[in-house]
Parts: sequence; C-alpha cells; structure tokens
Amino acid sequence: SAVISQKPSRDICQRGTSLTIQCQVDSQVTMMFWYRQQPGQSLTLIATANQGSEATYESGFVIDKFPISRPNLTFSTLTVSNMSPEDSSIYLCSVPPRDRLANEQFFGPGTRLTVL
Amino acid sequence: RKEVEQDPGPFNVPEGATVAFNCTYSNSASQSFFWYRQDCRKEPKLLMSVYSSGNEDGRFTAQLNRASQYISLLIRDSKLSDSATYLCVVNSRYGNKLVFGAGTILRVKS
Repeated sequence: SAVISQKPSRDICQRGTSLTIQCQVDSQVTMMFWYRQQPGQSLTLIATANQGSEATYESGFVIDKFPISRPNLTFSTLTVSNMSPEDSSIYLCSVPPRDRLANEQFFGPGTRLTVL
Repeated sequence: RKEVEQDPGPFNVPEGATVAFNCTYSNSASQSFFWYRQDCRKEPKLLMSVYSSGNEDGRFTAQLNRASQYISLLIRDSKLSDSATYLCVVNSRYGNKLVFGAGTILRVKS
C-alpha cells in the first residue's frame, strides 16, 4: 500500500478563517480522494482530486467552500474556507492501490480540525 | 434510506466469543465490497475485501449475498485487540467512489 502523510495532523482555528490541509503520497497515483468524518459519524466523500483538471465534488460540497489543488501525481491540498464550528471534523485523504485492479482505498492519518 | 446500513452496536462480547456483523446496501449495481476497521482517533484501515464466494482470513470470515444485498463479517475467538469500529464499505455505481456505512462498534472484554 502507499505511504500517505497529511499536514497538519490537527489544528484549532477561529471562525471565519481558512485552513489548507496537505496530502503527500510516496508514489504517483491517478486519483486522490478527500473525505470528511464528523464527530461520531462515518466518512463522507467531499471530492475526487484529478491531476490536471478541476476536482469533482459530491453533492452538498462546493468548490468555493472546499477548493482543492492537485499540482502533480503525488500531492494534493484541500482548503476549508470561511470556517464555522460545523466544519469541525477529521479530514482524510485517500488513494487507491498502485498495482491492483480492485478499488479499495488507503487512507492518510487524517487532520483533526476544531473550529471555535 | 441510507445507501449502506449497519447496526451501530455497540456489541459487548467476552474474549473468545464469536460475533457477527451485518450490513445491507441499496445499490444493486455495486461490484466491490469491503470491511474496514477504524480504531479510536485513527484512520480507517482495510480489513478485508468481500468476494461473492465468501472469503476467510484467519479468524475473520466475510460473506456476500447479492440477491439480498447483504454483507456479513464473522469474527471467531474474539481478542481484546479486536475492539474497534467496523465499517461496511461498498463502491457506488460511479466506479471508484466508496460509500461507507456508519460503522458497528465492537468492545471485547476480558
């Protein structure tokens, strides 16, 4: 499986500010995914980060609120903009395996965000 | 109706017990099925894929019933270290998109 790192691992932010989360993978991958896990909930897909094109957002998530960059095949960022306490969540990036046809995914360690 | 539904538990079982988790999914076109394990304050990790013929990995057995759109996970001889949340995961009709159940909490006690 790929080795995935995320920065920061956690942050506490003020309402109205923005936070950019970085995801780095140790190998080139075509697709990277960003998920949110709110307290006590399961994972919800925010968007798929495509290299060389705009991210594909899921229903309920918009680019203005969660802009995503994908400058190359090993890196992506997710920005949580104009934060409110409802944005307090764990944000996780994930990638599919490099060398298999099955579409399971492997997750980074997550970024734990608290908005005051 | 949620696309993937699980009993949230918690399941409180003694060490050595056998415990089974169930999961139902609504999208009949789903092709891939997984069980993930998530420890407290950690990221989800793949436990096992679920194949049509059923599959076993040590103490863990997964079963798929396509007709009933039902997935199960059986854990035999439970260990304290099995305590975690078990997530049922199904791919959507859109290929690589995964849909997660809310998870079933397992607590194994000595």
